[in-house]
Order: sequence, then structure tokens, then C-alpha cells
Amino acid sequence: EPEVTQTPSHQVTQMGQEVILRCVPISNHLYFYWYRQILGQKVEFLVSFYNNEISEKSEIFDDQFSVERPDGSNFTLKIRSTKLEDSAMYFCASCPAGETQYFGPGTRLLVL
Amino acid sequence: QKEVEQDPGPLSVPEGAIVSLNCTYSNSAFQYFMWYRQYSRKGPELLMYTYSSGNKEDGRFTAQVDKSSKYISLFIRDSQPSDSATYLCAMRGAGNNRKLIWGLGTSLAVNP
Repeated sequence: EPEVTQTPSHQVTQMGQEVILRCVPISNHLYFYWYRQILGQKVEFLVSFYNNEISEKSEIFDDQFSVERPDGSNFTLKIRSTKLEDSAMYFCASCPAGETQYFGPGTRLLVL
Repeated sequence: QKEVEQDPGPLSVPEGAIVSLNCTYSNSAFQYFMWYRQYSRKGPELLMYTYSSGNKEDGRFTAQVDKSSKYISLFIRDSQPSDSATYLCAMRGAGNNRKLIWGLGTSLAVNP
């Protein structure tokens, strides 16, 4: 069964450094998402992406964040200058035409 | 009022028990309702997906949606130790490409 994959599984970085989180969505899915989950808190929506552009973003997704689909398979989330409060699990999700979303295993980001 | 409320538990039951999990919500625009299961430090795994009001059954799992009360439930029959996980409700509005709004998740332990 096809799955969403994410790399790396864990990332430790220093405050102010740039990180890129990578995702390979399920092929033939059209919509792509990033969510994050701070320990002990709800899963939060960050951004959705369709047809090579952002379709919606939350107030969390400020100028420090960007997304890209550099080729036909990868979907990346970049955080330009990480802050301590960016420490969280980051989940990528994809879905076929507007139906339910399938999630990857997540990247655990720790900012020191 | 929070958009989606879910009692975090923890809930502890003996093997074979019927488990009832639920969420309430405030936004009447929500049309699609999902239950995800999340094992520790893993990504959310889709369990049930329901549109509008009604019941849906899949094996030992039954999802119920009561839009008039803004209340959704997940029932697990004949619970197994492998069902021990966190169960998250999520919901979204109509149309394609809509962000999911999440409950906090209920931690369930099924004891052998």
C-alpha cells in the first residue's frame, strides 16, 4: 500500500539555522499539506499546496517558512531561521482530489 | 469556545471492553469528520472517515456523527491491547483542499 514518507526522522539544529524537511507524497495525489504538533498540544495546520502554489496558510506560516515542490515527487518545508518554539513534530500529508488526508510518519525537529 | 474539544483521558479499559471516544465542535460548517489513531511518536493513521451525519462501521470500529448536537463518537468493540494508542478526531468544511481542525486526542490503554 502506498505511503507518505518523510526525511529525516529526527533533526537537531541550532537556533537561527535553516532546516529543510522533506516529504514524498503518495503518487497521483494532488493536494499536499504540512502540519505540526508541539509536544502535548493539538496538531496544527501550517500550509496547503495545490497545483504548484500555496492554497492556504495559517498565521503560524510566516515569512520564515516556505514550501516547494522541486520535482514531481518531493514536497519540502523550509524554515529559514529556526526558533526554539519551532521544536515540534512536523507531518506531511497528501490526498487525492479533496478527499481525506494521509499522513507521513513525521520529522521530529529539536531547536537548541 | 474552542473549535474542537476532546477529553485527553487517559482512558484505561480491560481487554474485550467496548470503548467510547467522542469530540464536540462549535463550527457548524464542518462537513467531514475523521478519526485518526496515533501511536507514540508516529504519524496519525486514518481509521474512519464520515461525511455529514450518520453512522459508519468498519470491523470493530463504528463512527457516529450527530450534526444537530455537534457531537461525534468512535466506538471500539472487543478492544485489544494493540488498540492502545492516542485517538484524534479531525474535521473540515466542504469543498476540496480544506485544512483539518483537530481535537487534542484521547489516550487509550487496553489492558490484557
